[in-house]
Amino acid sequence: DIQMTQSPSSLSASIGDRVTITCRASQNIITYLNWYQQKPGKAPRLLIYTTSRLASDVPSRVSGTRSGTEFTLTITNLQPEDFATYYCQQSYNSPFTFGPGTQVDIK
Amino acid sequence: QVQLQESGPGLVKPSETLSLICTISGGSISTYWWTWIRQVPGKGLEWIGYNYNSGTTKYNPSLQSRVTISVDNSKNQFSLSLSSVTAADTAVYYCARPVAGTNDAFDIWGQGTMVTVSS
Repeated sequence: DIQMTQSPSSLSASIGDRVTITCRASQNIITYLNWYQQKPGKAPRLLIYTTSRLASDVPSRVSGTRSGTEFTLTITNLQPEDFATYYCQQSYNSPFTFGPGTQVDIK
Repeated sequence: QVQLQESGPGLVKPSETLSLICTISGGSISTYWWTWIRQVPGKGLEWIGYNYNSGTTKYNPSLQSRVTISVDNSKNQFSLSLSSVTAADTAVYYCARPVAGTNDAFDIWGQGTMVTVSS
């Protein structure tokens, strides 16, 4: 199975901040990387798929990029609704695997 | 707008079979990779597998020997069966549908149903 790692595991930020979360795969996954947001007691919500494609109804201040084998989720102008846990997921090979998550909370 | 809703027992005894149904509303069940994903409370997400077009299935090798995902076109439902459950199968189970034309980025999710394995 492809192992996914995320950093940091948690971070604190303020409204209006720019936040970046990094994800790495244990092998080359080309651009097959998706990002989800999850709030307590709720199902995950797809934010980004195939590295940089914005899912429906996701604001443009959310973006995804890739540099080599490192993938980054960036959220600019952090809003109250952005405080949540974020997961990356590789879709290059089944079993599709998720990262352990990054919790973003209020500073 | 497509919505998914999981249903099934919230408590299953060890060694028995966990059975869940996902009902699709607002859309057709045809030509999608209908997927189950689970999450141990407070932990990460685990892809269980999918059924495509009532035919092709693919399962997580870690569960392969115990899992079946079926599609019932007449009822617009798909189901999960997981046999010989243990406490390690206690989790929130989600049904999900991927982005159209893909099988691997999930943009429609059910609300999730908590299943506890305990005697």
